[in-house]
Amino acid sequence: GNSVTQMEGPVTLSEEAFLTINCTYTATGYPSLFWYVQYPGEGLQLLLKATKADDKGSNKGFEATYRKETTSFHLEKGSVQVSDSAVYFCALNNAGNMLTFGGGTRLMVKP
Amino acid sequence: NAGVTQTPKFQVLKTGQSMTLQCAQDMNHEYMSWYRQDPGMGLRLIHYSVGAGITDQGEVPNGYNVSRSTTEDFPLRLLSAAPSQTSVYFCASSPNRDRDSETQYFGPGTRLLVL
Repeated sequence: GNSVTQMEGPVTLSEEAFLTINCTYTATGYPSLFWYVQYPGEGLQLLLKATKADDKGSNKGFEATYRKETTSFHLEKGSVQVSDSAVYFCALNNAGNMLTFGGGTRLMVKP
Repeated sequence: NAGVTQTPKFQVLKTGQSMTLQCAQDMNHEYMSWYRQDPGMGLRLIHYSVGAGITDQGEVPNGYNVSRSTTEDFPLRLLSAAPSQTSVYFCASSPNRDRDSETQYFGPGTRLLVL
């Protein structure tokens, strides 16, 4: 079956630090990959996505590259801000619109 | 557009009580779904619907019922609440099942506590 594994948090960084949140997946075929973000007290919002191997998704300074050879979709940002503090979820879609989520990684950015 | 709305925001139930979590969307989306969010487990799919009159089970359907009588509404019913159903529930919708239209739009969530 499908599964998504992401690094456990919390991840605590100082403002302007470099961010990496690891995500690996298991799936048959060619899933689409997503990063969703959940700000405190809110629902999930799509941050970025990639639909095929070697695609790079990007948004708001965040990037992730679909690596089929390593079954990974790591999230990166060159310089985090306090406003980036949130929970980040990696997810895949392998059939219809059913998403399989990782456990989420909480990011805390200190000024 | 209000997007995806959910009511109530917070609810406390006693074991054995029933209730309905409401979800509505005004984007004319065909696909709607319910997830539960538990610490460290991400979101797990409970039930989903690909259109009015059509529903199906997700990963964790036991203890929950759904129906889809209109495109806009997708209520989730707990017939006899159990403490294991304490969770945060999210409703989501998306335009269709086409692979290029996979972005799901989430509601703000309903926090449920079962005592």
